[in-house]
Amino acid sequence: AQKVTQAQTEISVVEKEDVTLDCVYETRDTTYYLFWYKQPPSGELVFLIRRNSFDEQNEISGRYSWNFQKSTSSFNFTITASQVVDSAVYFCALSYYTGGFKTIFGAGTRLFVKA
Amino acid sequence: NAGVTQTPKFRVLKTGQSMTLLCAQDMNHEYMYWYRQDPGMGLRLIHYSVGEGTTAKGEVPDGYNVSRLKKQNFLLGLESAAPSQTSVYFCASSPRTVGENEQFFGPGTRLTVL
Repeated sequence: AQKVTQAQTEISVVEKEDVTLDCVYETRDTTYYLFWYKQPPSGELVFLIRRNSFDEQNEISGRYSWNFQKSTSSFNFTITASQVVDSAVYFCALSYYTGGFKTIFGAGTRLFVKA
Repeated sequence: NAGVTQTPKFRVLKTGQSMTLLCAQDMNHEYMYWYRQDPGMGLRLIHYSVGEGTTAKGEVPDGYNVSRLKKQNFLLGLESAAPSQTSVYFCASSPRTVGENEQFFGPGTRLTVL
């Protein structure tokens, strides 16, 4: 069965600290896609990144970086030098094919960044 | 370009009442989705549509119906609301199959069933 686990329910850091949000997924498919979304206090979900199962290259975008490792079925997200504006709930998601692609979301990790 | 909009933003219902949530997108996307978000459970797919006139069941479809009569609109109906349907509902759209594309989300509708 397909599954996404975000074991960290809440994380609290002080501004400028680095923080890593963990995401572990389960799938038997060879073709799948992984996503991270951010849900700020305003409530709307915002897309951050997409990775397909054939591309294990890590990615960096400003203070954000993602580490995709198929060997451990993980797609972790690191925020460097965190800021108060990074406070949000972050969701990891897995899309897989079952007669059409479907997406399942992890339970989310709530990040508090204190000034 | 408004993206994905949802109506209403908040609603309180009594058990047994019915209501329809409206989702509209102006990006000409083929795919549209309805999710519910409950504490500690992430987002769960209720129903989705791969094009005008088509709908399909998601992970938690019971108690809900949907319609996609126009490409830009996706309606979610609750025929007889139950307290278990208290949740935040999100609509999303994507240009093609979600596997290859990210989803664009609406602002959500907070529904309370008393």
